[in-house]
Amino acid sequence: DAKTTQPTSMDCAEGRAANLPCNHSTISGNEYVYWYRQIHSQGPQYIIHGLKNNETNEMASLIITEDRKSSTLILPHATLRDTAVYYCIVRVAVGTGANNLFFGTGTRLTVIP
Amino acid sequence: DVKVTQSSRYLVKRTGEKVFLECVQDMDHENMFWYRQDPGLGLRLIYFSYDVKMKEKGDIPEGYSVSREKKERFSLILESASTNQTSMYLCATLAGGSSREQYFGPGTRLTVT
Repeated sequence: DAKTTQPTSMDCAEGRAANLPCNHSTISGNEYVYWYRQIHSQGPQYIIHGLKNNETNEMASLIITEDRKSSTLILPHATLRDTAVYYCIVRVAVGTGANNLFFGTGTRLTVIP
Repeated sequence: DVKVTQSSRYLVKRTGEKVFLECVQDMDHENMFWYRQDPGLGLRLIYFSYDVKMKEKGDIPEGYSVSREKKERFSLILESASTNQTSMYLCATLAGGSSREQYFGPGTRLTVT
């Protein structure tokens, strides 16, 4: 799986949009971009994923650049409960083989009241 | 909602003890995984199972074994716990087919003294 680069930490004011960047310049054509988050002392939580089109769900939006070398996760109206470590992962489609998830160090997002 | 539960949130065991970590899911997912998460190392795959009674080694299977007698339950066994197995253990599930979302349990923080 290709590696990703994320800022170590970010702050965001409550109610504002949180934009979390991720670089994945060595991504392959068949690799998806996934975002998970992990709130302290809990298991990772899936947020969103995409291949090349922008995606939106009830939690967030994912913007992928045209060359697919970077992406941005957008939390439109951050709340205090969004304080967590956010992980950007690129990987091929999951099948029945080994599906190792390298979470790296992620971005620690702190939402400030 | 997918629900993945783990038998304990916190566990303290002594060196040499046999330890059982249980994971139960209620969504009829074919694939189940056991990871450990350590600071700076991301999630590392220990074992996974893609069907009842089927198991495959992940990246770090040494010192561990698994059991999947029923589809909803995947057990991780530490035959003789050692201090270097002190870690956060995470169970995850994944539906078959083209689904790409892994669902994680809350984790078990195991301390071996």
